[in-house]
Amino acid sequence: AQKITQTQPGMFVQEKEAVTLDCTYDTSDPSYGLFWYKQPSSGEMIFLIYQGSYDQQNATEGRYSLNFQKARKSANLVISASQLGDSAMYFCAMRIVDSGAGSYQLTFGKGTKLSVIP
Amino acid sequence: DTGVSQNPRHKITKRGQNVTFRCDPISEHNRLYWYRQTLGQGPEFLTYFQNEAQLEKSRLLSDRFSAERPKGSFSTLEIQRTEQGDSAMYLCASSPPLGGYNEKLFFGSGTQLSVL
Repeated sequence: AQKITQTQPGMFVQEKEAVTLDCTYDTSDPSYGLFWYKQPSSGEMIFLIYQGSYDQQNATEGRYSLNFQKARKSANLVISASQLGDSAMYFCAMRIVDSGAGSYQLTFGKGTKLSVIP
Repeated sequence: DTGVSQNPRHKITKRGQNVTFRCDPISEHNRLYWYRQTLGQGPEFLTYFQNEAQLEKSRLLSDRFSAERPKGSFSTLEIQRTEQGDSAMYLCASSPPLGGYNEKLFFGSGTQLSVL
């Protein structure tokens, strides 16, 4: 079974600074995808970035980048130039690419609460 | 496009009562998911529909839980004989057809259930 671990319950960052949110995963499947979602206080999960297990380059989406280290099974999210609106819960998630029935379910970590300080 | 819509936003019920939640996905999305999120945890997968077919169900989905998507559009999640342990945020998500394993999910704002 797959597992996502986020060891930082809470993080603080100064506005305009960069911050790294940690995520490690555990799976024996060779094909998988890793996602990061943001959940503001409104409750809606917002997709940020995706990394496939066979992708050669680290994913980037605007101010978000994913530091993917396959051998260490880590997929850390880097947010550059933090903004006050970045204050939210951040979840790392994994989807196994099932060659059989094709499972689309995501397995989420417990999340990290990021607070941006003015 | 108004995104994924969930109703009600909040539901308070007494233990033993039945409750039903509704999810309206983004109109062109044929895939629909239900997740449950308890305080301090990430969302946990409950079930997945492709059009009207329920293709995946988690072991978390006990026989008190039933989900339907009768015409492949909106979906309902019913919990019978609610228990205090059912108190959680119930999240619905959808994704478009032909999406691959990298397809992102679009989530609604959830229904917060409190069982007294």
